[in-house]
Amino acid sequence: GQSLEQPSEVTAVEGAIVQINCTYQTSGFYGLSWYQQHDGGAPTFLSYNALDGLEETGRFSSFLSRSDSYGYLLLQELQMKDSASYFCAAGNTPLVFGKGTRLSVIA
Amino acid sequence: DAGVIQSPRHEVTEMGQEVTLRCKPISGHNSLFWYRQTMMRGLELLIYFNNNVPIDDSGMPEDRFSAKMPNASFSTLKIQPSEPRDSAVYFCASSPAGGGYNEQFFGPGTRLTVL
Repeated sequence: GQSLEQPSEVTAVEGAIVQINCTYQTSGFYGLSWYQQHDGGAPTFLSYNALDGLEETGRFSSFLSRSDSYGYLLLQELQMKDSASYFCAAGNTPLVFGKGTRLSVIA
Repeated sequence: DAGVIQSPRHEVTEMGQEVTLRCKPISGHNSLFWYRQTMMRGLELLIYFNNNVPIDDSGMPEDRFSAKMPNASFSTLKIQPSEPRDSAVYFCASSPAGGGYNEQFFGPGTRLTVL
C-alpha cells in the first residue's frame, strides 16, 4: 500500500521557524510534493523534490531524503497568513496525499 | 488563464437525489483528477483521466458514483442516488502531464451537503 505520515497539528509563533515532517511508504516513488490549503480554499502547490537535498523558494524550503523515506517542509519568518493546512504528497501517478498538518501561527 | 472551473460551488440536496458535479480543466492539460475531502478521511483520489480516458477508478467508493470525460475540456462526477455520507468537498484538478511529479492545479471545489 501507499501511505504518508505527518503530524496533525503544529503551532508556532509569528516570526519563528517551523518544520513539518513527512514520512512515506510508497511504491514507484518519484518525488515528494507539498501543498498548502487555507480554510475554505483549494490545495495549492508549494514545492516538489525529486532528488535528495534542500529546495528553497523564498521563505519556504523543502527537503527530501530518499534513503530515509523522509521529507520536511520548512517555513521561515512565519506570518499569520501562513496559518493553513500543509499536505505532503508522494510523486507517484497519481499523487497520494498525507492527511495534512494544520499550522496555527500565533502572535 | 481562468484556472480549473467547477460548478456548482455549493450543492444541497436530499438523500436519494441525483447529483452532478462539473469541471472544466485548464486548457492544454491532459490529466484530470477528481478528489473528495472530508475531515475524517482527508483528501482522497476518486478517479483520474489521461487524455480523456479513465486510468484508475479504484477510489470510486461504489457503483453510485460515476465519472465521465467526453472531451478535453469537460468532465462530470455523478452520484446517484446520493446519501448523507457523500457530504464532502469535491475537488477537480488538472495537470499538464501524469500528475505524479508535476504540479496539480485544483479547482475551488464543490461543497456537497446531502440531507
